[in-house]
Amino acid sequence: DTGVSQNPRHKITKRGQNVTFRCDPISEHNRLYWYRQTLGQGPEFLTYFQNEAQLEKSRLLSDRFSAERPKGSFSTLEIQRTEQGDSAMYLCASSLGDRDMDEQFFGPGTRLTVL
Amino acid sequence: GEDVEQSLFLSVREGDSSVINCTYTDSSSTYLYWYKQEPGAGLQLLTYIFSNMDMKQDQRLTVLLNKKDKHLSLRIADTQTGDSAIYFCAESTGGFKTIFGAGTRLFVKA
Repeated sequence: DTGVSQNPRHKITKRGQNVTFRCDPISEHNRLYWYRQTLGQGPEFLTYFQNEAQLEKSRLLSDRFSAERPKGSFSTLEIQRTEQGDSAMYLCASSLGDRDMDEQFFGPGTRLTVL
Repeated sequence: GEDVEQSLFLSVREGDSSVINCTYTDSSSTYLYWYKQEPGAGLQLLTYIFSNMDMKQDQRLTVLLNKKDKHLSLRIADTQTGDSAIYFCAESTGGFKTIFGAGTRLFVKA
């Protein structure tokens, strides 16, 4: 257990529905990252926050995706109008963010299945 | 663009050494990492190496970096069944962006 928690661990939804995932990082960590991992692949960067500010978004993050970290603590990732191609593991990671060698601590992920 | 490549599978016998290889394309990479992912768990940082180093040893783990060839390897000595997992190579130039390989699945036979 790295100290980063994600909920739910599994989500099955029908195409077109909206889903929201939550990530609780390690409490003193300033940076929070979202990644997507599909079967047989490594994590792909989606977005990251420095405290409550969302500083970078990948081109993978379409308009249907939105992430927030309102108080600089937990974060949510919402996917609107889900598509079958959204099925993946969504990983959250956090880090101190105070140095170049910025060790990221990963949560166990939320596995999304879109039917 | 940036890319990290790894072989997909490796099978070894318990007690043997495992060597997992990785190549990367970004010559400005500052840090190179090895992460381990076990079933149902998130990624766990095993070790990392700074780009001005050739080698780093940490107990059973040895990381070798050939910066000229952009080649990174992870050697696990005396491999145990508990080492069975997916191992990800990753690189970053410092800052927020880390690029991961697709992972090497290590099978350890008893």
